[in-house]
Amino acid sequence: AQSVTQLGSHVSVSEGALVLLRCNYSSSVPPYLFWYVQYPNQGLQLLLKYTTGATLVKGINGFEAEFKKSETSFHLTKPSAHMSDAAEYFCAVSETGTASKLTFGTGTRLQVTL
Amino acid sequence: DTGVSQDPRHKITKRGQNVTFRCDPISEHNRLYWYRQTLGQGPEFLTYFQNEAQLEKSRLLSDRFSAERPKGSFSTLEIQRTEQGDSAMYLCASSQQGAPGGYTFGSGTRLTVV
Repeated sequence: AQSVTQLGSHVSVSEGALVLLRCNYSSSVPPYLFWYVQYPNQGLQLLLKYTTGATLVKGINGFEAEFKKSETSFHLTKPSAHMSDAAEYFCAVSETGTASKLTFGTGTRLQVTL
Repeated sequence: DTGVSQDPRHKITKRGQNVTFRCDPISEHNRLYWYRQTLGQGPEFLTYFQNEAQLEKSRLLSDRFSAERPKGSFSTLEIQRTEQGDSAMYLCASSQQGAPGGYTFGSGTRLTVV
C-alpha cells in the first residue's frame, strides 16, 4: 500500500519569499512521485515528476523538488514566490511496475501576500 | 491532440436521480482513471481501465456507481439514486502503459446533488 502525507494544509508566504511545501510518502516498492497544482474549479496540472534518474527534479514555473529516499520525502520548493503561485498543491505517489494508480495527499493551499 | 475532455463541466441534480458523466481520453492512451475530489481533499481513486477491461475498483465505489469503457476509447461513469454525499468533483485521467508518470487530467465534472 502507498500513502502520502502533506504537512501543513495552509502555507502563507510573502511575494518574493521562498516557497517550501512538504511531502512525505510511504511505499512498499520504489515510487514514482509527483506534484500537481490545482486552480479553483479546474483540473490538475502537472508541475513535476520523479520516475528514475536524477533526484533533483525541475518543473514548470520555477518549481523544483528533491527525492530523498532516506527521508521518504519529496518536498516542493521555489526560490521566489509570485502572486500567480497562489493555488492548491497536491503531492502524489504511484508504484513502479504495473500498479499505476496515483495516490494523493490532502493538499496544501498556498497563499502569497504582498 | 486536445487532451482529456470531460462532459458536462457542471451538473446539478435532485437527490434520487441518476447521472452519467463522460470522459474522452487522449487517443493514444490505453489507460483511463476516475477520481473523486471533495472540498478540501485530495483526489481519491475510484477505478481504472486498461483498454476496455476494468482492472481495479476502489471500495469507495459503491453499488450505485458503475463505470464502462466499451470500446477502449471513451468512458462513462454513472451514479444511480444520487445522494447529497455524492456531491464532488469527478476527475478523469489517462495514461499510456509503459510510460511512467505520463498522466493527463481532464478539467473535471462538478456534481451538485440538491
